[in-house]
Amino acid sequence: AAGVIQSPRHLIKEKRETATLKCYPIPRHDTVYWYQQGPGQDPQFLISFYEKMQSDKGSIPDRFSAQQFSDYHSELNMSSLELGDSALYFCASSETSGSWADTQYFGPGTRLTVL
Amino acid sequence: GENVEQHPSTLSVQEGDSAVIKCTYSDSASNYFPWYKQELGKRPQLIIDIRSNVGEKKDQRIAVTLNKTAKHFSLHITETQPEDSAVYFCAARALDNYGQNFVFGPGTRLSVLP
Repeated sequence: AAGVIQSPRHLIKEKRETATLKCYPIPRHDTVYWYQQGPGQDPQFLISFYEKMQSDKGSIPDRFSAQQFSDYHSELNMSSLELGDSALYFCASSETSGSWADTQYFGPGTRLTVL
Repeated sequence: GENVEQHPSTLSVQEGDSAVIKCTYSDSASNYFPWYKQELGKRPQLIIDIRSNVGEKKDQRIAVTLNKTAKHFSLHITETQPEDSAVYFCAARALDNYGQNFVFGPGTRLSVLP
């Protein structure tokens, strides 16, 4: 079965540069979530989108932005990168079914290293 | 908004013993509670989940219980094995007017000692 696809899997950037992470949800999934996991830390929720609209916002820095496109894929844009942005970034997707909350399926993650 | 607490933060058990991890949540609208297992260097994996219309769910050596009145839910692992060693995250989810709100607990590091 198709899973959540994230690209790139690894990314190395310099400080103050810009990075774009992409997430392709499982087909028919309409909700995408972004998480940041620093070394030795718990995953932190950043932001989510439902039907191409922002549905919730967590601890996402103002330097970051994200959007969900008409084909439901999502992109996380990170500007003015700092050393502390080095982390594993997970994307997850789910299919909303009305009154029930649904299982999230995680992608493999993108490892961002800021030098 | 929702707040999820998780205890203990670390847990060590002898192989073969049981392990219990407890979580509490604050938003009574939460209606879905998954548990994730994250092994070293890997992404979190869903291991079991429970919806608010049931009180208990079991899958082989893993079970989850939910007490909606008290707003707490627990993960139970029986006959623990070394490969159960990992970080376990609980989460609570609710639907609101903007979509879904998904909140993780801080995680429990489980060590199963041979």
